[in-house]
Amino acid sequence: SQQGEEDPQALSIQEGENATMNCSYKTSINNLQWYRQNSGRGLVHLILIRSNEREKHSGRLRVTLDTSKKSSSLLITASRAADTASYFCATGRPSGSRLTFGEGTQLTVNP
Amino acid sequence: NAGVTQTPKFQVLKTGQSMTLQCAQDMNHEYMSWYRQDPGMGLRLIHYSVGAGITDQGEVPNGYNVSRSTTEDFPLRLLSAAPSQTSVYFCASFPGHRSGNTIYFGEGSWLTVV
Repeated sequence: SQQGEEDPQALSIQEGENATMNCSYKTSINNLQWYRQNSGRGLVHLILIRSNEREKHSGRLRVTLDTSKKSSSLLITASRAADTASYFCATGRPSGSRLTFGEGTQLTVNP
Repeated sequence: NAGVTQTPKFQVLKTGQSMTLQCAQDMNHEYMSWYRQDPGMGLRLIHYSVGAGITDQGEVPNGYNVSRSTTEDFPLRLLSAAPSQTSVYFCASFPGHRSGNTIYFGEGSWLTVV
């Protein structure tokens, strides 16, 4: 079963707008990670947020974590056409030995 | 560094055939993993290794074998391919917690079993 569940499943916005994706999970975690996958490519690690962190920034990315609600959000500001991709949240050990992925959000940024 | 290299990129197999998906990394990473990704879904862990000579099962290990004789290589073997194994396979490596938290994924191997 999937530990993380992303919402929405698909999101279409115009270039320059902000995109927000949400992830919910079921069990206690040590950290939560977000990945991007361009069509036909492998996953690229975007950001990791630890369970004792509430917010983290990396460039145009902002991730929040609410452990009481077992949820996280990924905000991409000032989106670009190149941000078009699927975005996945994952929980578990960063080593990959117990990494569990959600089903992803397909983001389309229209120029 | 080439990163994580997977071969082949595309493969068509007949039911019952065997094959090996190759994965190599040149970053001296301790941890390596194999995932499969089915249409519209996230990745599911097949097998993983925390170092040379050590492997363990993930979420969906049935029908797959792995070995880790060297740090660099982590091949995934399908002994008798089934149509249910049609999927995209990703290999990943991780340097260890003291070296950061970034996982590196290969570009994927598209496997079709007919």
